[in-house]
Formats: sequence, structure tokens, C-alpha cells
Amino acid sequence: ETGVTQTPRHLVMGMTNKKSLKCEQHLGHNAMYWYKQSAKKPLELMFVYSLEERVENNSVPSRFSPECPNSSHLFLHLHTLQPEDSALYLCASSQGTGTPYGYTFGSGTRLTVV
Amino acid sequence: QKEVEQNSGPLSVPEGAIASLNCTYSDRGSQSFFWYRQYSGKSPELIMSIYSNGDKEDGRFTAQLNKASQYVSLLIRDSQPSDSATYLCAVNKDAGNMLTFGGGTRLMVKP
Repeated sequence: ETGVTQTPRHLVMGMTNKKSLKCEQHLGHNAMYWYKQSAKKPLELMFVYSLEERVENNSVPSRFSPECPNSSHLFLHLHTLQPEDSALYLCASSQGTGTPYGYTFGSGTRLTVV
Repeated sequence: QKEVEQNSGPLSVPEGAIASLNCTYSDRGSQSFFWYRQYSGKSPELIMSIYSNGDKEDGRFTAQLNKASQYVSLLIRDSQPSDSATYLCAVNKDAGNMLTFGGGTRLMVKP
């Protein structure tokens, strides 16, 4: 596998469910990100991890819980979501947070909360 | 004022023409600028980066940066129908690598 892989590609969940999104990067990068993309809105930064430590939490509700066990894997744990949380969730990686490199994005998880 | 602003479009150009996409940003301290292309239903793909004032060319793409006026643009020469996509401008405003994205401009290239 190459690049940034996200699973699942599509997810439908009820408001009382608990689910997790998974991201894996095979690029040797040491920074990973979660972004939310809603219709007609810019990409919103949710979480940033550098060398497995969280360096940015952009005021995201606690119903979203990130986990970064190592520099290649990133999870987003979801619980008691709201319908307005339905969106495309994108994972990205980059070579570091200290230098302005561009990101490589995964294919995203299309989340629908019913 | 939005941090990174783009006209949402759609911008419609005929095949073979030059497409000009513009982006303005609010933070004068911004240092690095990126253009991403996003096809419908797909994830963003990095196509250009620019760090210094002036032009940077890569094939049919030219990125232009003017820090004094706080704008960055992307020119696509000889536009093709396959260039039809949403183009996202992203700005890095400090020493870290956290990017702020504009809302994107939808480009339509008509055969």
C-alpha cells in the first residue's frame, strides 16, 4: 500500500452509536491531521499530531476523540454524534509541522449521522 | 473577514483558454501557499506550492504570489476538460505546518 489510506470509505451511524475512523500513512511522514469537509464550507482543521503528540485541538467537541498510537496510524473515535456532524472526514500527513510542507490527503470517510 | 478567501465560482472557460484562479488571505505573516485540486467526490491533491513573491511555473500551471497585496493566484494554460474541478487555496501562516483552506473555486472547462 502507498500513500494515505482511510477506512471505512463510507459510514452510516445512529446518534447513539460508537464508531472509529482509521487512517494509515506509508510515506514516512511524522505529522498527521484530521480535517472535516462539510458542503459549501472550507476544510476545517480538527486535530494535529506531530511525532504522536497532539499539538493542536481546534476547539472540537468532545464527541470526537483522536488517537495516534504511532507516527503511521491515526484514529478518530466517534460517539453520540449529531446529524450536523455528517461530512467528509479527511486524514492528511506531512513531513513535519516545523516546515511548511504540503499535505498528502487520504480518500476520506463519508460519514452520515442518522 | 475570512482568513483565506476565494470566489466560489463556477468559473467557466472554453477548452484551450487560460483559467485564472485567485485567492486572498488576511494574515500578513503568512509564509507558504499551496494550491490543491479536488475532483468531485475525491480528496484534495497538491498541485503547486509557492513561498516567494513572483511566479512559479510547473507545466501548464503557474502560481503567482504577491505578499504586499496578500493574494496568490493560479493560472492554468491550455485548459482541458479534465481540469474541471474545485481548486483550493491553502495558507500556512506561521512556522508550523497547519494549513488554513479557502472555500475553493469550482472550475468548468467546456469542450
